[in-house]
Amino acid sequence: ETGVTQSPTHLIKTRGQQVTLRCSSQSGHNTVSWYQQALGQGPQFIFQYYREEENGRGNFPPRFSGLQFPNYSSELNVNALELDDSALYLCASSILAGSLYNEQFFGPGTRLTVL
Amino acid sequence: AQSVTQPDIHITVSEGASLELRCNYSYGATPYLFWYVQSPGQGLQLLLKYFSGDTLVQGIKGFEAEFKRSQSSFNLRKPSVHWSDAAEYFCAVADSGAGSYQLTFGKGTKLSVIP
Repeated sequence: ETGVTQSPTHLIKTRGQQVTLRCSSQSGHNTVSWYQQALGQGPQFIFQYYREEENGRGNFPPRFSGLQFPNYSSELNVNALELDDSALYLCASSILAGSLYNEQFFGPGTRLTVL
Repeated sequence: AQSVTQPDIHITVSEGASLELRCNYSYGATPYLFWYVQSPGQGLQLLLKYFSGDTLVQGIKGFEAEFKRSQSSFNLRKPSVHWSDAAEYFCAVADSGAGSYQLTFGKGTKLSVIP
C-alpha cells in the first residue's frame, strides 16, 4: 500500500510569484487536507477537499486555493507569494464517511522558501 | 474555537528516564485528542488518539496518554525513553463539529535525549 506522497520536496520562489504543490493520497482515501507549518510552530489547517469540493477552510486568504482530482490527488496553489508563506506544507489523506472520524495520514511535506 | 497549549517548548531527558509531555486543550464538546511525532525532515506520525471510553490510551512505541476532563489535559508519557525518541511532539484536537474534522495543533515540544 502506497502512503501519502508530496512533490516537490523543496521549492524556492521569489515574492509575488505563484506556486503549485502536489499531493497523492493514500489508496482508498477520498479526502485530502492541507496544513501549513511555519518554522517553530505547529501545523495550521488551510483547507480540506472531499469529492473534489472544498469541505472546510482555515483562516487563510483566498490566494490559497486548491483542487482535488477524480483520483483523489490534490494541488495547493498559492498566488502572490509573500515572505511569510515560507513554511513546510503538509498534506494528509483520510476517509470521510458520515460522522465517523478516520485517521489522517500525513505526507513528508514540501518545504517552500520565499525570497 | 478550539485551541491546544503545550507549555514546554523543549525538554531534555536522559536515556532510560521517564517522560511526560504536557498538553492542555480548550474545546466545548467532547474532544477527539491526538499525539503526533515528527522527526527532522519527516511528516507527522500518529502515536495515539482518544475519542471516548477508557481515559488511559496506549499507543505505538511504548507511549501512553491520559485524558483528564477536569483538567482539560491529555499528557503523553513513556516510562523509559530511548535515544530514538528524540523528535518533536505535537498534541492536537479534532473539531468533530466542523464536518471536516480539521486538526488544531499545539506549537510542539522538542524532545532531546542524552545518551
